[in-house]
Amino acid sequence: DGGITQSPKYLFRKEGQNVTLSCEQNLNHDAMYWYRQDPGQGLRLIYYSQIVNDFQKGDIAEGYSVSREKKESFPLTVTSAQKNPTAFYLCASSITPSRGDTQYFGPGTRLTVL
Amino acid sequence: GEDVEQSLFLSVREGDSSVINCTYTDSSSTYLYWYKQEPGAGLQLLTYIFSNMDMKQDQRLTVLLNKKDKHLSLRIADTQTGDSAIYFCAESIEGGADGLTFGKGTHLIIQP
Repeated sequence: DGGITQSPKYLFRKEGQNVTLSCEQNLNHDAMYWYRQDPGQGLRLIYYSQIVNDFQKGDIAEGYSVSREKKESFPLTVTSAQKNPTAFYLCASSITPSRGDTQYFGPGTRLTVL
Repeated sequence: GEDVEQSLFLSVREGDSSVINCTYTDSSSTYLYWYKQEPGAGLQLLTYIFSNMDMKQDQRLTVLLNKKDKHLSLRIADTQTGDSAIYFCAESIEGGADGLTFGKGTHLIIQP
């Protein structure tokens, strides 16, 4: 089955700890994206990557970091510098980074900071 | 600047048609999307429309685009309980390769 997987589904973290969210796709898509969703809010772009070994900041990159060492993987690290990390995190991918290429989403990871 | 606006809630009776509305401000939008999100899940692409089109129909779904007024709507015919979800409108900006701009989502509530 082709698709996007995110793990874990639920994640709990103590304040001051870094945590890494996994995103894997086997669709052979070039572009990958991370979004954050808060209750009653739309999705806000954290980071995106158009190609392996390259990534750019989105609208709310502060307190987050990413890597893109492999085409199929785009992990997101939520660092202790992120002031309000409790949220639902969604990963997406598209065939190319070009405008109009449909983005397909994973099932999401819900992060709760205790 | 880019902004996508949607009303937060819509309540309809089962079997009626649902019409979810969206307005956007960026005149250079090239594609407009409708995504569906069920509780605790990711986003599922429902349909999309290119900005030089007026209408697109796909089974129970009809998308209407008024480019002059920057207004997009999604009509769901014969609404069922399984249609209960949050519906997001999103736009892709011409030349943009940096993700989509989303509205805050419309909660569709189905009354029996």
